[in-house]
Amino acid sequence: GAGVSQSPSNKVTEKGKDVELRCDPISGHTALYWYRQSLGQGLEFLIYFQGNSAPDKSGLPSDRFSAERTGGSVSTLTIQRTQQEDSAVYLCASSLSLATNEKLFFGSGTQLSVL
Amino acid sequence: GENVEQHPSTLSVQEGDSAVIKCTYSDSASNYFPWYKQELGKRPQLIIDIRSNVGEKKDQRIAVTLNKTAKHFSLHITETQPEDSAVYFCAALAGQKVTFGTGTKLQVIP
Repeated sequence: GAGVSQSPSNKVTEKGKDVELRCDPISGHTALYWYRQSLGQGLEFLIYFQGNSAPDKSGLPSDRFSAERTGGSVSTLTIQRTQQEDSAVYLCASSLSLATNEKLFFGSGTQLSVL
Repeated sequence: GENVEQHPSTLSVQEGDSAVIKCTYSDSASNYFPWYKQELGKRPQLIIDIRSNVGEKKDQRIAVTLNKTAKHFSLHITETQPEDSAVYFCAALAGQKVTFGTGTKLQVIP
């Protein structure tokens, strides 16, 4: 695709429900990141995928959060039993390879609202 | 892990004046320092970057400096224009992980 695509753009859910957020990186990009941006705050690192290597999950805030990347392309971030404090914009970014090209291309994000 | 601190959190300047945003990092292994600009309601986009083997880089009205010894780097915007108004994020790459600062909201007053 022309850029990093995220869906849905907006998600409203009730507390306790599970949600899945999708990221479709730029074709050929081997590195994929998930960040969380709360209102007026910075970019909080969640998880990182690089090719077929084991992901760096060090930023996931709790075991309710998980992510996978199938076939080295599309990634899904899952939040189980959502809480109000999970409300934020979830941004995905991809890069050709951090070993050779560090520029991150961001998607437009998913605005998650937990009621 | 890497910790990136960014100051100030907000900055207002008159159009035409200069703006400076400063960041510090903790991990001496960090070797790449990008700056991203995020306009209201839009995604962050890279505006300039610098590698650890360079002390300064300039691109038209924006420049970035890096002091490896002190572990700090700065963004300089000269002759600011209203369209420079946005949130600016510094970041540091150590290994495979990009860590961002908390952002600076820049307002350029016409």
